[in-house]
Amino acid sequence: DAKTTQPPSMDCAEGRAANLPCNHSTISGNEYVYWYRQIHSQGPQYIIHGLKNNETNEMASLIITEDRKSSTLILPHATLRDTAVYYCIVRVPRYNQGGKLIFGQGTELSVKP
Amino acid sequence: DGGITQSPKYLFRKEGQNVTLSCEQNLNHDAMYWYRQDPGQGLRLIYYSQIVNDFQKGDIAEGYSVSREKKESFPLTVTSAQKNPTAFYLCASWGPGQSSYEQYFGPGTRLTVT
Repeated sequence: DAKTTQPPSMDCAEGRAANLPCNHSTISGNEYVYWYRQIHSQGPQYIIHGLKNNETNEMASLIITEDRKSSTLILPHATLRDTAVYYCIVRVPRYNQGGKLIFGQGTELSVKP
Repeated sequence: DGGITQSPKYLFRKEGQNVTLSCEQNLNHDAMYWYRQDPGQGLRLIYYSQIVNDFQKGDIAEGYSVSREKKESFPLTVTSAQKNPTAFYLCASWGPGQSSYEQYFGPGTRLTVT
């Protein structure tokens, strides 16, 4: 699975959009980009994933560049409850072969009033 | 509700004692995982199991053991051979989600060994 690079920390004002970048320059053609977040002392929570098209769900939007070497997770209206560590992971979602997710240190997002 | 249960949430042990952390899932997932997390660090894989009665070592398996006798259960034993056992332990499973395959995590067990 490809490695990812994320900034260690970011701040965002409450109510504004939070844009979290991730570089995955060695991603291969069949690897998806997944985003998880971990609120302090809890298990990580799935947010969104995508292959090459931009994706949106009730939590966030995922923008993947055309060359797929980087992506951005967008929280459109950040709230204080979005304060967490956000992990970007790339992997192939093989059927019943989860293999191992490689979690880096992620980005610690602080949403401030 | 489907999900992963880990118990207890907090666990305290004396050095030199083995301790077993529980992980149960009712998601009918074949694959299950144990991760360790130290303060300010990402997750590191200890062991994983892709099917009942089979499991593989992860990146930091030394001092740990697991069993997978039932699909829904994947207990982790932290043995006295583990030099720095104090950490946050997360159990996870992998299986079908809303639109693809996803990894689901339990709430974690915080183990403190003194």
